[in-house]
Amino acid sequence: GENVEQHPSTLSVQEGDSAVIKCTYSDSASNYFPWYKQELGKGPQLIIDIRSNVGEKKDQRIAVTLNKTAKHFSLHITETQPEDSAVYFCAAPPRNSGYALNFGKGTSLLVTP
Amino acid sequence: DTAVSQTPKYLVTQMGNDKSIKCEQNLGHDTMYWYKQDSKKFLKIMFSYNNKELIINETVPNRFSPKSPDKAHLNLHINSLELGDSAVYFCASSHNANTEAFFGQGTRLTVV
Repeated sequence: GENVEQHPSTLSVQEGDSAVIKCTYSDSASNYFPWYKQELGKGPQLIIDIRSNVGEKKDQRIAVTLNKTAKHFSLHITETQPEDSAVYFCAAPPRNSGYALNFGKGTSLLVTP
Repeated sequence: DTAVSQTPKYLVTQMGNDKSIKCEQNLGHDTMYWYKQDSKKFLKIMFSYNNKELIINETVPNRFSPKSPDKAHLNLHINSLELGDSAVYFCASSHNANTEAFFGQGTRLTVV
C-alpha cells in the first residue's frame, strides 16, 4: 500500500511566523493529496487538497505545494495564529485501492502568542 | 445537521465484552470508512465500504466486524474486547478516496 511519511512530528512556532510540514509518498501513481486538521476532541477536517495536475494551491493563509518528481508535498501556513494549534495530517490514496486514504503520522503544531 | 454522526462518544467496557459503535451519514456519499486512532494519534484505515460492499479490510482481527445495512450506515461490532483495542474510532464518508472525507467526532473506547 501507499507509504506516507510526514515530518516533523512536532512543531512549535511563534504567532505570526510561518509553519511548514512536509510529506513524502511512495506510489508515483497517486494523484490526490489532502491535508487534514484535527483539533482536540474532534475528528479530522479537510483544510486543503491538491491534485497531481497542479504544483501549488493556495487558500488565504494556507498553501500546499506538490513535487511529483520528488514525490513530496508540503503544507505552508503563514501568519500563524494560536487557533492554528492542532494536529495536521497529510494523506494519499493507496496504490491498490481508490477507496481509502493512508495518513501520515501527524504533526502536532503549537503556535505560542 | 450533523454530517457524520457516530454513537456513543465514549465507551468504557470490560475485557471480553462485545460492543457496537454506530455511524450514520446524511451526505449521500457512496463510501464509508472506519479508522482507528491510537494513543500516538496515528490514523489507520480498518474498513472501507462502497455502496454497502466491503472494499478494504486491512489487517484487522476478525473480532471486528463491520455491518452496512444501507449506504447511509456503517456500524462496527467488536467481539471479545481486549485491552489493546482501547483507542479512538472514527467513522468517515466521502464520494470516493479522491474527494473530501468527512469524519465523525470519534468514539473513545476504553477497555479495562
